[in-house]
Amino acid sequence: NAGVMQNPRHLVRRRGQEARLRCSPMKGHSHVYWYRQLPEEGLKFMVYLQKENIIDESGMPKERFSAEFPKEGPSILRIQQVVRGDSAAYFCASSPLGYGTDTQYFGPGTRLTVL
Amino acid sequence: KNEVEQSPQNLTAQEGEFITINCSYSVGISALHWLQQHPGGGIVSLFMLSSGKKKHGRLIATINIQEKHSSLHITASHPRDSAVYICAVSLGNTPLVFGKGTRLSVIA
Repeated sequence: NAGVMQNPRHLVRRRGQEARLRCSPMKGHSHVYWYRQLPEEGLKFMVYLQKENIIDESGMPKERFSAEFPKEGPSILRIQQVVRGDSAAYFCASSPLGYGTDTQYFGPGTRLTVL
Repeated sequence: KNEVEQSPQNLTAQEGEFITINCSYSVGISALHWLQQHPGGGIVSLFMLSSGKKKHGRLIATINIQEKHSSLHITASHPRDSAVYICAVSLGNTPLVFGKGTRLSVIA
């Protein structure tokens, strides 16, 4: 049973470009969470999705960031017009049931560097 | 809003020592998680607990709901235990709130 997969593992973008981060949850998991870890800071919740639905996006920046989890395929975190401050590690996690009362399984992360 | 505080921030231990990492939170919770993040960056869930104590190998996690406090203990520590240990809490239908982590180095 493959774990949570994220790709790419490392992504370099120039300011103003778009970044697309992909997350494939563990088999049988329909709940996906995205987190951001800024350098020397703790993990911060961004968004929680179930298939085709955004359940909680209270941690998403209001502009340039969007997330989806289509019926088929991976969850995508999209950052438009990236800026240097977006440089961070982005982790995806999945769980079979929802929210914090269930163990979440983390992917290896995508390290985004904005030049 | 729940605040999660971990102590110490950094910890260096000799191989074989007993290690304790602490986590305090400000608001009542439904579950507390302990996570391990290795130097390469991968995150592993160690425990999820809402009361009492759990043990897995050399790791023990305890929680005191009344005092809003949890501890993670490592017995017979080993250099491979070197990692950042992260505490996270949830109210049940809210996102996880994370502590800043405790960076542990175990020296041979």
